[in-house]
Amino acid sequence: GQQLNQSPQSMFIQEGEDVSMNCTSSSIFNTWLWYKQDPGEGPVLLIALYKAGELTSNGRLTAQFGITRKDSFLNISASIPSDVGIYFCAISSGSGDKLTFGTGTRLAVRP
Amino acid sequence: GAVVSQHPSRVICKSGTSVKIECRSLDFQATTMFWYRQFPKKSLMLMATSNEGSKATYEQGVEKDKFLINHASLTLSTLTVTSAHPEDSSFYICSAVTGRQPDTQYFGPGTRLTVL
Repeated sequence: GQQLNQSPQSMFIQEGEDVSMNCTSSSIFNTWLWYKQDPGEGPVLLIALYKAGELTSNGRLTAQFGITRKDSFLNISASIPSDVGIYFCAISSGSGDKLTFGTGTRLAVRP
Repeated sequence: GAVVSQHPSRVICKSGTSVKIECRSLDFQATTMFWYRQFPKKSLMLMATSNEGSKATYEQGVEKDKFLINHASLTLSTLTVTSAHPEDSSFYICSAVTGRQPDTQYFGPGTRLTVL
């Protein structure tokens, strides 16, 4: 099946720092999604991207849909302790279609 | 809006017993629900796609006779793990599609299954 590789695998940063993580695939996709999962919870959608080159923000989060449609990145500015969790990218080949999740980036924030 | 609940949140059972997990869309109708499994420190892996009123579609490698899925209404899908074994211990998460454009999957809070 399709593989989505996320990097870095984990990050341990100081509160206030900016964070950048990315996600790559070997195939082209029309929709890229970024989710955050807190321990023992289901994923929560952060940002959805539907057009190549699209740059979308949600508060301190910014995500971009790569122009080649094979990658995406997520930036978090001025990190805070509640940013701790696992960030997953996910792709969908069409509206309402099943999702494939990336390998995840585990973020820890030191106060 | 777009709230999805799961019940129970955690369950412990003996090997050989069956466990039913419910997934409900609370404030919308979901024609399609998805079931995922997540092992510790791993990503979510899709198990099956559940459509209201029809048979579920299982992903390769997922035993349909072991993981029974029923989607009897537009707000409820159930996953039954039959004859559970310790290797079935995992975090099971459902999601539901609202049907609005663009479609987005909303996830439930998950169910932690431990089989002794």
